[in-house]
Amino acid sequence: QQQVKQSPQSLIVQKGGISIINCAYENTAFDYFPWYQQFPGKGPALLIAIRPDVSEKKEGRFTISFNKSAKQFSLHIMDSQPGDSATYFCAASSSGSARQLTFGSGTQLTVLP
Amino acid sequence: DTEVTQTPKHLVMGMTNKKSLKCEQHMGHRAMYWYKQKAKKPPELMFVYSYEKLSINESVPSRFSPECPNSSLLNLHLHALQPEDSALYLCASRLRVSSYNEQFFGPGTRLTVL
Repeated sequence: QQQVKQSPQSLIVQKGGISIINCAYENTAFDYFPWYQQFPGKGPALLIAIRPDVSEKKEGRFTISFNKSAKQFSLHIMDSQPGDSATYFCAASSSGSARQLTFGSGTQLTVLP
Repeated sequence: DTEVTQTPKHLVMGMTNKKSLKCEQHMGHRAMYWYKQKAKKPPELMFVYSYEKLSINESVPSRFSPECPNSSLLNLHLHALQPEDSALYLCASRLRVSSYNEQFFGPGTRLTVL
């Protein structure tokens, strides 16, 4: 019940295209859903995060869509750029677990020039 | 200053060596974390410190020994490691364990055990 399932494992898109990464969870106690971006040899960096009281959050080219009833959330990267090529992890946390992050398995995104 | 620093960047050690990893932040965060990350995998939580006290140990082998000397510094002492312990070790911090605030990660220490 603590798992967060992420798909796809890898994604290749053309420059200017839309990248979509999906995550699903079971634990209804989760109430904070961040997305992290990680470049090779670097630590993960917070990209964008959402709480379940809203269905969508947008920051620049990055949008999180959240479906509480389906227990799913997704990251949309509009106008994808080669510099977006990285590994993306979704995560979830709850107050009951000291806000420990439960990570998805990761998606390796490659944006072709 | 929104940065978590980690030293060294790379470390190679034999199975009989003793070494330490260091992590530092000056953001006033009172929650600090150690994670282990294998290639193409998500970070795995090892330890959580809250107000300089160890609050969570995710059943980590005793060859890994964390230490939090003060609110800005976190160490991970390594002894008698195994080759399978080779990984990227990430430090992270957050304002408080219970807060929604962003968890900041350091760049990691790439550890190789021979």
